[in-house]
Amino acid sequence: GAVVSQHPSRVICKSGTSVKIECRSLDFQATTMFWYRQFPKQSLMLMATSNEGSKATYEQGVEKDKFLINHASLTLSTLTVTSAHPEDSSFYICSADQGLAYEQYFGPGTRLTVT
Amino acid sequence: DAKTTQPNSMESNEEEPVHLPCNHSTISGTDYIHWYRQLPSQGPEYVIHGLTSNVNNRMASLAIAEDRKSSTLILHRATLRDAAVYYCILRDVRKKLVFGKGTKLTVNP
Repeated sequence: GAVVSQHPSRVICKSGTSVKIECRSLDFQATTMFWYRQFPKQSLMLMATSNEGSKATYEQGVEKDKFLINHASLTLSTLTVTSAHPEDSSFYICSADQGLAYEQYFGPGTRLTVT
Repeated sequence: DAKTTQPNSMESNEEEPVHLPCNHSTISGTDYIHWYRQLPSQGPEYVIHGLTSNVNNRMASLAIAEDRKSSTLILHRATLRDAAVYYCILRDVRKKLVFGKGTKLTVNP
């Protein structure tokens, strides 16, 4: 199957700083990428959908000024958590699809800890 | 988004078949039934999907009821590596995946 990578896999940052997480589709061009957040013992919650070259569509309740998403190319999307706070500590997961295919391919996730 | 109902947890023994049920009584005609699984501390992994007919692949089989209001994911011989949370999701073509709580499968050696 197609491969999606995320970097970094784990990051610890101080409160008030910003953190960028990269999501790459390694062997295919992703027309759409998705960002999810998962708190311990909970399910995945979709944060936003991004299409290459256009603004991301955020889910209700997700602050677009806090979670900046850039989808600059068909193989790269980035999520920047701005002015991070301890409550932003979570497991962030991206996924991608090829448009015509039916399955989504998920990255391995990024564990963010804000101290 | 159409909703699905799954048991919170199930247990199986290694090398035995596992049948994971999913109810989706409000499914629409254009909804595909998708199954994903998530191992601890990993991103979800695609398992299988179908529309009306039963489907088989190398990982599992998907049995879909004739009225499409329920489906069953079948793991033919469970292994310890199959211990995961299994999500049954309804998805229209090109639409977003909305995850429910899923079923936590425990496989006993």
